[in-house]
Amino acid sequence: DGGITQSPKYLFRKEGQNVTLSCEQNLNHDAMYWYRQDPGQGLRLIYYSQIVNDFQKGDIAEGYSVSREKKESFPLTVTSAQKNPTAFYLCASSIPLAGDFNEQFFGPGTRLTVL
Amino acid sequence: KQEVTQIPAALSVPEGENLVLNCSFTDSAIYNLQWFRQDPGKGLTSLLLIQSSQREQTSGRLNASLDKSSGRSTLYIAASQPGDSATYLCAVKDFNKFYFGSGTKLNVKP
Repeated sequence: DGGITQSPKYLFRKEGQNVTLSCEQNLNHDAMYWYRQDPGQGLRLIYYSQIVNDFQKGDIAEGYSVSREKKESFPLTVTSAQKNPTAFYLCASSIPLAGDFNEQFFGPGTRLTVL
Repeated sequence: KQEVTQIPAALSVPEGENLVLNCSFTDSAIYNLQWFRQDPGKGLTSLLLIQSSQREQTSGRLNASLDKSSGRSTLYIAASQPGDSATYLCAVKDFNKFYFGSGTKLNVKP
């Protein structure tokens, strides 16, 4: 089955810790994205990557870091510099960003809670 | 910067009703618009994608329309069912980013 997997489903972090959220896709998509969702709000873009070894900051990149060493994988690290990291994190992928036929597909999400 | 608005924020209807969800955006220079469904605590499921050159798309009981010039899209759900209860989000794409509305939470009562 083609799709996007995220792990873990739930993650608890103590203040001052860095944590890494996993995102893997087997859709052969070039573009991948990380979003943050807070209650009652729309999705906000953290980082996106159009190709391996390249990524760009989104609207709320401060306190987060990413890597894109493989086409299938786009892990997100939430660093201790992120002041309010408790949120629902969603990973997505699509065919290349250029053009108008790039349907986004989403993973099941990771809920991060800071204790 | 593109802003996407969805009104109403919540909607409750009896089973069997036809309903319309609204999505508006401030910059008409979009490449496409996508409608999603999100169940509580889950990821987003893609429902329909409308490319900028298209006016509407249909899938089963769902029909989405796009009017770029007025910055509006509607999602029409025919003969609503309790299983349609979820939050519906729209997203527009500009050159290299997607912008999301905050969603309409739909409750279909049996």
